[in-house]
Amino acid sequence: IAGITQAPTSQILAAGRRMTLRCTQDMRHNAMYWYRQDLGLGLRLIHYSNTAGTTGKGEVPDGYSVSRANTDDFPLTLASAVPSQTSVYFCASSDSEREQFFGPGTRLTVL
Amino acid sequence: GQNIDQPTEMTATEGAIVQINCTYQTSGFNGLFWYQQHAGEAPTFLSYNVLDGLEEKGRFSSFLSRSKGYSYLLLKELQMKDSASYLCAALDSNYQLIWGAGTKLIIKP
Repeated sequence: IAGITQAPTSQILAAGRRMTLRCTQDMRHNAMYWYRQDLGLGLRLIHYSNTAGTTGKGEVPDGYSVSRANTDDFPLTLASAVPSQTSVYFCASSDSEREQFFGPGTRLTVL
Repeated sequence: GQNIDQPTEMTATEGAIVQINCTYQTSGFNGLFWYQQHAGEAPTFLSYNVLDGLEEKGRFSSFLSRSKGYSYLLLKELQMKDSASYLCAALDSNYQLIWGAGTKLIIKP
């Protein structure tokens, strides 16, 4: 692994289903983030984690949950998907208040 | 509230110079970032300014005025591969990034 990986690359999901987006980094960064990106709205922070074992809510946390059991992994779960959660999801990590490194993204469609 | 403003779209000619402006209003300020994002790809880091002035990095330069809440990204000797969206983001007092919607830059031959 080099950098940040996300899985799946894309997914079509029926409304009401549960879905977990995976994110793994091998840079030993303390901080990790989940964003959604929608056309015309820019990146919006869903949840973040400053270090393993801690998480916090971002700008748009409703309908999403995260966990940070270790430094490398930061999964994002949609408990019961709704069409408004159709978006491109990016995971990112950083080791300071400076540059964030982004994963390749997951394109999610909820029907 | 917190807000980042940047133009939605700009067009420039290959070989020319273009300046992309960004104004920000945040609760506290700990720096201004510019990222580049090609269509269908992840954002990648371009520059970081925390002090007033110009930072030059090859063909790209970034300027910050903290008193005016203003930054710009200057791209010189434009190449077709510079066609992308350019995202401005400000780090607030909680060290959270507040993102603009991005400026789509179209380069014409």
